[in-house]
Amino acid sequence: KQEVTQIPAALSVPEGENLVLNCSFTDSAIYNLQWFRQDPGKGLTSLLLIQSSQREQTSGRLNASLDKSSGRSTLYIAASQPGDSATYLCAVRQGGGADGLTFGKGTHLIIQP
Amino acid sequence: NAGVTQTPKFRVLKTGQSMTLLCAQDMNHEYMYWYRQDPGMGLRLIHYSVGEGTTAKGEVPDGYNVSRLKKQNFLLGLESAAPSQTSVYFCASSYSAVYQPQHFGDGTRLSIL
Repeated sequence: KQEVTQIPAALSVPEGENLVLNCSFTDSAIYNLQWFRQDPGKGLTSLLLIQSSQREQTSGRLNASLDKSSGRSTLYIAASQPGDSATYLCAVRQGGGADGLTFGKGTHLIIQP
Repeated sequence: NAGVTQTPKFRVLKTGQSMTLLCAQDMNHEYMYWYRQDPGMGLRLIHYSVGEGTTAKGEVPDGYNVSRLKKQNFLLGLESAAPSQTSVYFCASSYSAVYQPQHFGDGTRLSIL
């Protein structure tokens, strides 16, 4: 059974810092990996989707990398801002027919003004 | 553009009552999903659908039923609600299972007393 782990569970940093969120998964047979953002009381917003054949994806100040063979992904946030405060979730789509995503428990990020 | 809309947003039920959660998407997506989110557990897949008239079980399907009579709607039913079904329920949809991200609604917060 696929398991997704996110480290750290919580992170608080001053505004302006660059930071890295980590995601690991136990079964490397994935179709893709997706990073989401969740604000309190809200749904999930998709940030980046990396296909299994890709190494990284970039969107603005966000960069996500994927090392499928080692079962790891990182989300890099450059020049953090208070508006980046949220919970960040990593999820993988497993190969072999299961169509849903397997999620990690998230990293709760606070950017201090 | 509404995206994925879930109704109701909040509901309190008594044990043994039944109810239906509605998910509607206006993006002409084939794939639709129901997840539940519980503290310390992350999001888990309940049921999913790969097209109109189809449904399939996810990781935690017991106690729930689903129907996809129209492409744009995916209904989640609780026939006899139990306190263990207290959770936040999220619906998601995607155009492709592999190459496109999943889009989420804002959730339904359900309490079973």
